[in-house]
Amino acid sequence: DTEVTQTPKHLVMGMTNKKSLKCEQHMGHRAMYWYKQKAKKPPELMFVYSYEKLSINESVPSRFSPECPNSSLLNLHLHALQPEDSALYLCASSQEPAGPSTDTQYFGPGTRLTVL
Amino acid sequence: GENVEQHPSTLSVQEGDSAVIKCTYSDSASNYFPWYKQELGKRPQLIIDIRSNVGEKKDQRIAVTLNKTAKHFSLHITETQPEDSAVYFCAAPSGWSNTGKLIFGQGTTLQVKP
Repeated sequence: DTEVTQTPKHLVMGMTNKKSLKCEQHMGHRAMYWYKQKAKKPPELMFVYSYEKLSINESVPSRFSPECPNSSLLNLHLHALQPEDSALYLCASSQEPAGPSTDTQYFGPGTRLTVL
Repeated sequence: GENVEQHPSTLSVQEGDSAVIKCTYSDSASNYFPWYKQELGKRPQLIIDIRSNVGEKKDQRIAVTLNKTAKHFSLHITETQPEDSAVYFCAAPSGWSNTGKLIFGQGTTLQVKP
């Protein structure tokens, strides 16, 4: 299995809702990432998990809460989002999170989030 | 911090022509340079990457060149086809320590006209 999968594909939520995005990989990768991508812009890093521990938080608002239950799964919990949080949320994974060389990151298909 | 600049922002070519996209980076410690292709509504897909111990890498119609002295790297697509139309992103890692953080260029929208 050489893919990163994400669910759901699309999500519409109100500003008072609580929802979660899910990401899964079975490539044995030890680093997993959350990115946010606005239309016609590059992906922006939000969080990095290294061996199931949060290693980078790019000053993301607390209404986004990541969780890594095990080495294959990554969640992003959403609460009290704003309309400007509407975007494509991409998950990615790579073999090793740290070391002398950078490993390739493989992206999931993303979740298209709309906040009303 | 690391900065990656990408040019041009849009590129239109005739089918069969070549396309070149250029990126410059600021951190001389960067040692890995991937290129991603993103079709409309799809995920970014790695199409080619290069590490700092080589100057050029080729995969069929796609090639990447790296000039470490000048701190720039380029994507070359030859014999372009309509299915090459997409947004292309270059990227570079941030800093000596491999934290997994990639800095992306702003993207190039490539249109290949039949």
